[in-house]
Amino acid sequence: QKEVEQDPGPLSVPEGAIVSLNCTYSNSAFQYFMWYRQYSRKGPELLMYTYSSGNKEDGRFTAQVDKSSKYISLFIRDSQPSDSATYLCALRALGDYKLSFGAGTTVTVRA
Amino acid sequence: GAVVSQHPSWVICKSGTSVKIECRSLDFQATTMFWYRQFPKQSLMLMATSNEGSKATYEQGVEKDKFLINHASLTLSTLTVTSAHPEDSSFYICSAHVPGQGPPQETQYFGPGTRLLVL
Repeated sequence: QKEVEQDPGPLSVPEGAIVSLNCTYSNSAFQYFMWYRQYSRKGPELLMYTYSSGNKEDGRFTAQVDKSSKYISLFIRDSQPSDSATYLCALRALGDYKLSFGAGTTVTVRA
Repeated sequence: GAVVSQHPSWVICKSGTSVKIECRSLDFQATTMFWYRQFPKQSLMLMATSNEGSKATYEQGVEKDKFLINHASLTLSTLTVTSAHPEDSSFYICSAHVPGQGPPQETQYFGPGTRLLVL
C-alpha cells in the first residue's frame, strides 16, 4: 500500500464547474499538507499549504484537511481552461524535509 | 513565492557522455535541495537529498556513482548524469527547501525542470 493514494484520473469538466480532488494517506506522522499544480513539461507550482484540520481558502481554491480520516481535498470553483493541469498532493511529516507525493490527478477544463 | 531556476531547460546528448544540470535558488539560501525525476504521466520520484557542504543522501535504488550531486554553495546544487544512456532520458526537477517556521515557508519550491534526451 502506498503512503499517499491519489486517483490519477483523468478528470474532464466543463468550464465553470467545481473540480474536486482528493488524497488519502496512511501515515499519521504527516502534519503538513500541500497541493501543487503542474502544467505539462513544467515544474510543480505550490498552490496551497495547510498544517491543521479544517478549511483554507485562497481565491477560487479551497483546501480541506481531515486528519482523523487521513483525507485531504482540493476544490477549484468556477474552473477555467487555464486550470487544466496535473494536481499533486504532497505531505510532510514534522521534522522531515522530504515530501511524499500522490500520483497526481490530470484535470482538463473544457471551454 | 521563492524562485528556483534550472539550467539547461532541455538537453540532447549522445550515449556515453555526461550531462550536468544546475539548480539555483534565486532569492533565498537553501541548505537543502532535492532532485527528482519524472517519467511521462507519472508522479515525481525523489532521487536524492542534497545538503550544502556535505554528501548527498540517495534514495534506495538510485546509483550515486551515476548521478553525482554537488551542493557547493547555499544557492547552487548540480546533478551530473555520468555516462548517460537512453534509459536515463527523463524530466529532471530540482527543488529547494525554504527554511522558516510554518507556511508558506518550510516547504519545497520547484525549478522548471530539465528534459534530458539521450540518443
